[in-house]
Amino acid sequence: QKEVEQDPGPLSVPEGAIVSLNCTYSNSAFQYFMWYRQYSRKGPELLMYTYSSGNKEDGRFTAQVDKSSKYISLFIRDSQPSDSATYLCATSRNSGYALNFGKGTSLLVTP
Amino acid sequence: NAGVTQTPKFQVLKTGQSMTLQCAQDMNHNSMYWYRQDPGMGLRLIYYSASEGTTDKGEVPNGYNVSRLNKREFSLRLESAAPSQTSVYFCASSELAGGLLTYEQYFGPGTRLTVT
Repeated sequence: QKEVEQDPGPLSVPEGAIVSLNCTYSNSAFQYFMWYRQYSRKGPELLMYTYSSGNKEDGRFTAQVDKSSKYISLFIRDSQPSDSATYLCATSRNSGYALNFGKGTSLLVTP
Repeated sequence: NAGVTQTPKFQVLKTGQSMTLQCAQDMNHNSMYWYRQDPGMGLRLIYYSASEGTTDKGEVPNGYNVSRLNKREFSLRLESAAPSQTSVYFCASSELAGGLLTYEQYFGPGTRLTVT
């Protein structure tokens, strides 16, 4: 069993919808939580990160971590077709340790 | 800056052949990584190099070797390719190992490898 679990989807939503992407993790030692976005046939790129519990907002994107339930979420408001990509959550125990990636959720935003 | 570059972009090998995947970064990063990405399996770490002169095994190192040639370059070698090594291979780099920025890894465009 992977340390980070993520529903692979695919998830299809109409343009303008609010999207909720989620991951669960098993290791309570994880401190850093990240979301990477990967467009088709490209390498992943860091979208957002949070340290420990709480929320972080960046434009239309909000990352949320609930350490008590070991749950990571990414919300996308006013979704756009350009948001169509695979979103990978990732965790790390501490800086200096390798990242643990989820399998990624494929998102399609239709015009 | 080119960021992280990988060569080749595509490769087809026959079972038993060998090849080396090349990776270079121009961001002066200390740490470099090799991942493979397979459908339904996500990104899995093969090897990493926390700093120049060091390499360590990741989650799936069997069948691979690596060389950290210098601070910029980190190569991945398949000595005797097998069909199970058909995958997309990504190289990545990050600022520090043991510092605060390891989570921000910069990825290359990938190498699509098929072993027949």
